[in-house]
Parts: sequence; structure tokens; C-alpha cells
Amino acid sequence: KAGVTQTPRYLIKTRGQQVTLSCSPISGHRSVSWYQQTPGQGLQFLFEYFSETQRNKGNFPGRFSGRQFSNSRSEMNVSTLELGDSALYLCASSLDSSSGNTIYFGEGSWLTVV
Amino acid sequence: AQSVTQLDSQVPVFEEAPVELRCNYSSSVSVYLFWYVQYPNQGLQLLLKYLSGSTLVKGINGFEAEFNKSQTSFHLRKPSVHISDTAEYFCAVMYTGGFKTIFGAGTRLFVKA
Repeated sequence: KAGVTQTPRYLIKTRGQQVTLSCSPISGHRSVSWYQQTPGQGLQFLFEYFSETQRNKGNFPGRFSGRQFSNSRSEMNVSTLELGDSALYLCASSLDSSSGNTIYFGEGSWLTVV
Repeated sequence: AQSVTQLDSQVPVFEEAPVELRCNYSSSVSVYLFWYVQYPNQGLQLLLKYLSGSTLVKGINGFEAEFNKSQTSFHLRKPSVHISDTAEYFCAVMYTGGFKTIFGAGTRLFVKA
């Protein structure tokens, strides 16, 4: 069974640009969550989607957005990139994120903003 | 506010010594608790989780954790560590009905020969 797949794995962007990251969850998983990981900060929750609906959102500015498609695949977008957006962005999928189900992580997308 | 605190950012320990990584979370009526491990240049993987029942939970690679409701803690332990246990460990809490899992800042475990 294929794991969570994230693309691209590495990318470099310039300040002010925008970026779109993609995530394919494990087959059968309808919940997709996104996290930002930076050294010393751990994983910061961005948002969670279930059956195309955003059910929860973290404390990030409106420049960070996401969506989920009918096949459960998800994308997140960051507009007007800032240097501080450089981080590892992790996608995680589960059957349902509210019932104690394990969430499974992808290997992440490394974003560097220059 | 919902939060998870990992009390140690780094823990150095000699090989074959015991280790405890501490985790506290903000109180709530009902929670699910997890420990994840991230080896260098790898993704996060589940070590163990507590859903209900026995407060002592056993996971992979000889790790175990104990849920203490009165102290809102979920400390991770291993009686004898190996060099290969060198990694970053994350405690996480899922509050029922919250549709999100909150992670601590992580504890970097260094196992020395």
C-alpha cells in the first residue's frame, strides 16, 4: 500500500512569489492535514480537510490556503512568500483525524525562500 | 489553549543507559496521545499511541509510555538505548472532536557510544 506522497520534494522560490504543494494521501484515507516544521518550533498545524471540507485551521496568515479534491488529494498554496516561510511542509493522512486514528506522514516538501 | 510541552529540547545519553523523554499537555476531558519519531533525513513514523484502557502503552523498538491523567503527562521511556535510537521524538495530542493533532516542539535524543 503506497504511503503519503508529496510533490515537489525540494523547491526554491523568491520572496513575493507563490507556491503550490501537492499531497496524495494513502488510499482510503479521507482526512488530510498540513503542518509546517521548522527547527525548534516542532510541527505547527496549518489546516485539516475531510471530504473536501476544511474542518480546522491553525494560526497562520491568510497567505496560507489549501483545498482538497474529491479523490482526497490535497494542495496547499502560499502566496506572497516571505523569508520566514522557509520550512519543511508536511502532509499527513488518516481515516479520520478526530477519532484517535493514526496520522501517517509524507516525507515533506522542503521550501526555501530567497 | 490546547498545547503540548516537551520539557527537554535535547537529551544526551550513553548507549545501553535508560532514557525518559517528558511530555505534558494542557488538560482536557478526553484526549488521544501519540509519540512519533523522526530519524535523520526521514519522515515521521508512529512509535506508540494511547487511546484508552491500560495506562502503560508499549510501542516499537522497545519504547513504552505511561499516561498519567492527573498530571496530564505522557512520558516516553526505554530501559536501554542504542546508537540507532538517535533521532528527534515528538509528543502529540489529539483532542476529541478537534479535528487536529497538536505536536510538541520535539526532543532530540543523542545516544553516545
